[in-house]
Amino acid sequence: GAVVSQHPSRVICKSGTSVKIECRSLDFQATTMFWYRQFPKQSLMLMATSNEGSKATYEQGVEKDKFLINHASLTLSTLTVTSAHPEDSSFYICSALGLINEQFFGPGTRLTVL
Amino acid sequence: GQQLNQSPQSMFIQEGEDVSMNCTSSSIFNTWLWYKQDPGEGPVLLIALYKAGELTSNGRLTAQFGITRKDSFLNISASIPSDVGIYFCAGSPPGNTDKLIFGTGTRLQVFP
Repeated sequence: GAVVSQHPSRVICKSGTSVKIECRSLDFQATTMFWYRQFPKQSLMLMATSNEGSKATYEQGVEKDKFLINHASLTLSTLTVTSAHPEDSSFYICSALGLINEQFFGPGTRLTVL
Repeated sequence: GQQLNQSPQSMFIQEGEDVSMNCTSSSIFNTWLWYKQDPGEGPVLLIALYKAGELTSNGRLTAQFGITRKDSFLNISASIPSDVGIYFCAGSPPGNTDKLIFGTGTRLQVFP
């Protein structure tokens, strides 16, 4: 089956620092990956669509300069939260688009900004 | 923007009971998907529906894509403790089949 991994699974950082989260498709190539954010007891909200070799497409209200996305290869997309603040604390989940447009989700990364 | 509303918001049932939850939208969707999310993990796909009226089963789970393309339901029969979790519907809007919009979620608790 299609497996997507995320690293790290959990990160705690100080306010003002930057954090990079990796999303990898382990057994298939994905030209498109997605980044979601989920606050406690809420649904998943799409942040951006990451396309291999081109710029990411951000959803309305998501700051592209704060959430930097790089999709440099067919199996890796990274999300960097720059100058993180406590309000950025959340559960970040990525997904990779399969051959018949199904999305396979990673296990998520819990970010806590102190 | 488009929203998917799920009901009920939460359910507390006894093991062995059947469960029904649904998802509605004010606009049409081309695809309806049902996911289960366990605490601290990513969502896992349960059932995918691609055509209006489609009824699909996966073990004890059954889901249907509404005729109007604005709703879907998920039934779980003979619930067991491991059914505990949050169930999300998700849909792909017309013109953007890659994108998924998630519902508000239904939290299921099963008591032995």
